[in-house]
This record gives sequence, structure tokens and C-alpha cells, in this order.
Amino acid sequence: AQTVTQSQPEMSVQEAETVTLSCTYDTSESNYYLFWYKQPPSRQMILVIRQEAYKQQNATENRFSVNFQKAAKSFSLKISDSQLGDTAMYFCAFMMGNNNDMRFGAGTRLTVKP
Amino acid sequence: DTGVSQDPRHKITKRGQNVTFRCDPISEHNRLYWYRQTLGQGPEFLTYFQNEAQLEKSRLLSDRFSAERPKGSFSTLEIQRTEQGDSAMYLCASSSWDRANYGYTFGSGTRLTVV
Repeated sequence: AQTVTQSQPEMSVQEAETVTLSCTYDTSESNYYLFWYKQPPSRQMILVIRQEAYKQQNATENRFSVNFQKAAKSFSLKISDSQLGDTAMYFCAFMMGNNNDMRFGAGTRLTVKP
Repeated sequence: DTGVSQDPRHKITKRGQNVTFRCDPISEHNRLYWYRQTLGQGPEFLTYFQNEAQLEKSRLLSDRFSAERPKGSFSTLEIQRTEQGDSAMYLCASSSWDRANYGYTFGSGTRLTVV
């Protein structure tokens, strides 16, 4: 079974600084997809960024980028120029290539401090 | 399109009562997913539909849980004889089958409290 591990239950960062959230996963599959979702307090989950396992290039979306290390099964999220609105729970998620369902880690609570 | 809608947003029920939640996916999405999220944890997969067919169910979906999507549009999740351990946020998400690997669109969830 595929598992997703987020080893940092909570993190904080000063506004305008950079923070990296860690995620590791376990799978024997070679074709899969990885995601980071953001869940602000009392609000719905929003997709932040997506990575295809067969692509070596790390995905980037504005201030958000990933460091995808396939051999190490690591998928970290870097948030640059942190903003107060980035305060949220962040979930790492894994989906096999057959697109059947998405599995999530336990999440990291990020607080951006002014 | 207003996104994925879930109703109600909050539900408080007494132990032993039945509850039903509704999810309206994005209209062009033929896949619909149900997840459960307990406090401080990530969402756990419960089940998913492609059109009206329920294609996969998690072991978490005990006999007291039933989900339907009769016309391939909205879905309902019913919990019979609720227990305190059922207290959680129930999330619905949708996608099109051919773009599921681009990620799901989630609703705001239904928070269930069993007292």
C-alpha cells in the first residue's frame, strides 16, 4: 500500500521569508503523481502544485516550487516570500497512475508570522 | 459553475441516529470522491464513483455507511446508527476521469458531531 509521511506537524515562518515543508512517500510503482494541497482554516482544500513522477523537472507555480527526488521518494514544498495568507494546513498527496484515488499525509500546519 | 457544494455544512446528531449528507460535484465531472478527515489528520479515502457506478470502497466504509450517486450527478453519504467515532469532517471532491491526475476539486465539507 502507498503511504505518505509528513514529519513536521507544525512549522512557522516570518513573513517574506522562505520555508520548506517535507514529504516522503512509499510506493513500488513507477508511474504516479504527487500533489500539495493547502487547507486554510475553515475553508476548502485548494491544489497548490502538482508533479508527474516521470518528469525530472521540478514543478513551479509562482512562489511555490517542489524538490522532487524520485530515488529518495521525497517531495518537498518550498514557499518563497511567505505571505500571511499562506497560513494553512498543507497536505502532501499521492496518486497512482491508474487515477483511482488520492492518498494524503497527515499534514503540516504552517503559520506565517508578521 | 460554483464548484463542489456540500450540504449541510455542519450537523450535530445524537448517537444512534441516522444522518445523510449531500454532495453536488462540478457539473462536467463524472468522478466523485468521498473522504473523511478527523481533527489534525489528512483526508482518508472512503469511496469513489464514476458516473453512477461505485468503483471502489475503503475498508473504512463499514456496513453502517452507504453512498449513492443514482443519476451520476449528486451523491449522498448516509451513516446509520451513528457512533461518537464517526465525528469528523466529510469531504467530497470531483474530477473528470481523464483529468483526475491533475488533481481533485474539493468541497468545503460537512462537519459531523455525534453527541
